[in-house]
Amino acid sequence: DQQVKQNSPSLSVQEGRISILNCDYTNSMFDYFLWYKKYPAEGPTFLISISSIKDKNEDGRFTVFLNKSAKHLSLHIVPSQPGDSAVYFCAASPGAQKLVFGQGTRLTINP
Amino acid sequence: SAVISQKPSRDICQRGTSLTIQCQVDSQVTMMFWYRQQPGQSLTLIATANQGSEATYESGFVIDKFPISRPNLTFSTLTVSNMSPEDSSIYLCSVAGGVNYGYTFGSGTRLTVV
Repeated sequence: DQQVKQNSPSLSVQEGRISILNCDYTNSMFDYFLWYKKYPAEGPTFLISISSIKDKNEDGRFTVFLNKSAKHLSLHIVPSQPGDSAVYFCAASPGAQKLVFGQGTRLTINP
Repeated sequence: SAVISQKPSRDICQRGTSLTIQCQVDSQVTMMFWYRQQPGQSLTLIATANQGSEATYESGFVIDKFPISRPNLTFSTLTVSNMSPEDSSIYLCSVAGGVNYGYTFGSGTRLTVV
C-alpha cells in the first residue's frame, strides 16, 4: 500500500522556467508534509515543509502547495537552475513521527 | 538543525557476514530513525530508536536481522546481520529537526553484498 505517491518518475525543465513536482497521498492522518532533494551518494536534504493547517508555504524559490480535499501537494521551483537537478522526494508524517516517502521524481534542468 | 555523522560511507561485504553502521548526532535527540533505500526505490523506515528502550520495528523488519542500539541521546547503531545480496541498499539514519527544519539525514551508507 503506497500511501505517498509521486507518479512522475522524471521531469525535464528548461533553465529559468518553473518546475512543478507533484505528490498524492491517501492517509488522512498525515498532518505534516515535506520535500527533500537528494543527490547521488548523499543523504536527502530538507527543502521545505507545510503543516496541514496551511495551504501554502514559500521559501525563496521554493513554494509548496497543499490541497487537503484532493490529498495532493506540489512543489514549485522558480526560476529553475541547473543546480536544482536532483531526485526530489515528498514525504508525509502523522503527528511529527516517522516519515513516509514517495518514490521520487528525477528533475533535470536543461541549460 | 542537527548535524549527523554516519559511517561507514560505503562497504562491500561477503554474504553471511554482518555490518554495523554508526550515527553520531551533534545534539541530544529523543528519537532516531533508520531508513533503507533499495536500488531505484524510495526510502523505507526500518525502525525508530529511543534511548533506554527497545527499538520499534516497522512491518517487514525484525530485530534479529536489524538489531539496533541506542546507548545515549546522541548515538545509535544499526547492524545488518547475516547479509545476502538482497540487503544491498543505502542505509540512512535520521533525526527530527523541528517544524522549520524537517528531519535531518546522515549521508548514508552504501552497502553492497557479494
